Amino acid sequence: EAGVVQSPRYKIIEKKQPVAFWCNPISGHNTLYWYLQNLGQGPELLIRYENEEAVDDSQLPKDRFSAERLKGVDSTLKIQPAELGDSAVYLCASSLGAGKGQETQYFGPGTRLLVL
Amino acid sequence: DAKTTQPNSMESNEEEPVHLPCNHSTISGTDYIHWYRQLPSQGPEYVIHGLTSNVNNRMASLAIAEDRKSSTLILHRATLRDAAVYYCILSYGAGSYQLTFGKGTKLSVIP
Repeated sequence: EAGVVQSPRYKIIEKKQPVAFWCNPISGHNTLYWYLQNLGQGPELLIRYENEEAVDDSQLPKDRFSAERLKGVDSTLKIQPAELGDSAVYLCASSLGAGKGQETQYFGPGTRLLVL
Repeated sequence: DAKTTQPNSMESNEEEPVHLPCNHSTISGTDYIHWYRQLPSQGPEYVIHGLTSNVNNRMASLAIAEDRKSSTLILHRATLRDAAVYYCILSYGAGSYQLTFGKGTKLSVIP
């Protein structure tokens, strides 16, 4: 079975440019997460979806970040405009969404963003 | 929020057992203890989780203290592929999905 798929794997852009990341979760997983990971740190949650609804976006910087999960499957995370401090790895994860508190999250390989 | 404390780094010789400690003195009764690991240039992967009793799976064992204020992840025979950052995480109660990652323990395996 395929795992969580993310693209692109790497992205280099100049500051003030827009950028988008795509995630395809594991088939049948209702819950989808976007995380941000800075160098030497653990991942930090940006947003969580239950099907197509964003149920926790409290950590998403809404002035420049946006996300969508149309039809409750694939998801896109966008940054516009990008800033130098946005250079990081953006991770997508998914889970079944049935076992609260003991949910296993399955992570993709991440997209490494470098803003110049 | 309940937090965890882990050593920044540990070393192990290949083919020897590894015991990775985690302290979580403010854990509440409904918090699950999760362990994930992250290999270089990859996303985190699930290792094991538990609530009160010790747990075993094909990857590792989880030993939970009787008072639940600490736990230990046990890798029975370390291999070079086990070199990774290991995260001990509490999920905040049965109603929460959130996993809050700390900095974890960087495990180095010496051939």
